[in-house]
Amino acid sequence: SYELTQPPSASVSPGQTAIITCSGEKLTEKYVSWYQQKSGQSPVLVIFEDNKRPSGIPERFSGSNSGNTATLTISGTQALDEADYYCQAWDNSNIFFGGGTKLTVL
Amino acid sequence: QVQLVQSGAEVKKPGSSVKVSCKISGGDFRNYAITWVRQAPGHGLECMGRIIPVSGTTSYAQSFQGRVSMTADTFTSTAYMELSGLRSDDTAVYYCVTIPGGDYIVGNPLNYWGQGTVVTVSS
Repeated sequence: SYELTQPPSASVSPGQTAIITCSGEKLTEKYVSWYQQKSGQSPVLVIFEDNKRPSGIPERFSGSNSGNTATLTISGTQALDEADYYCQAWDNSNIFFGGGTKLTVL
Repeated sequence: QVQLVQSGAEVKKPGSSVKVSCKISGGDFRNYAITWVRQAPGHGLECMGRIIPVSGTTSYAQSFQGRVSMTADTFTSTAYMELSGLRSDDTAVYYCVTIPGGDYIVGNPLNYWGQGTVVTVSS
């Protein structure tokens, strides 16, 4: 089994920058994806291959991966960004998720 | 735009089985693997395993080995996940998700998600 560790919660004021971390052993050697899940909805891919945005994802979402910690950054956070965020990586051909971070915009 | 439409909610007795379907439209079924991810109430995401429809090759997470079976019908672009020996802690939302790349999927993201199927296990 492979563990990805995320803080359970984070908070940010509207217009500020939200930073969510995800750490794991040798994570720098893997591609990390990030998923946004709003209440009662299915997850949505927001970042893949550490720092790429799928079509339709706003530019305020960005990612990085270094020092065995992946980071999701949301610049100019909006109220509609309030959600649970999950990191995900592959290890030994299996898929693993972090425990999720609940982002509150207040 | 790829869409995944899953079957409806299920209520099952402990010890029974459930089979969830997932129909893919708007994309070539042969270009994807299908993975199943579940989410227990108030909990995070857990990958159950995956299937490559064109070959029928499956890979199951260790915690579900022996209880889960994943199949796919390439003619109808529909994937299925059957979980047996249901317990109360199998109560969860079950998602089907596509992984692009056909045969070569390791490292790829989970890009399109179904709407989820609620499975409730209760006596």
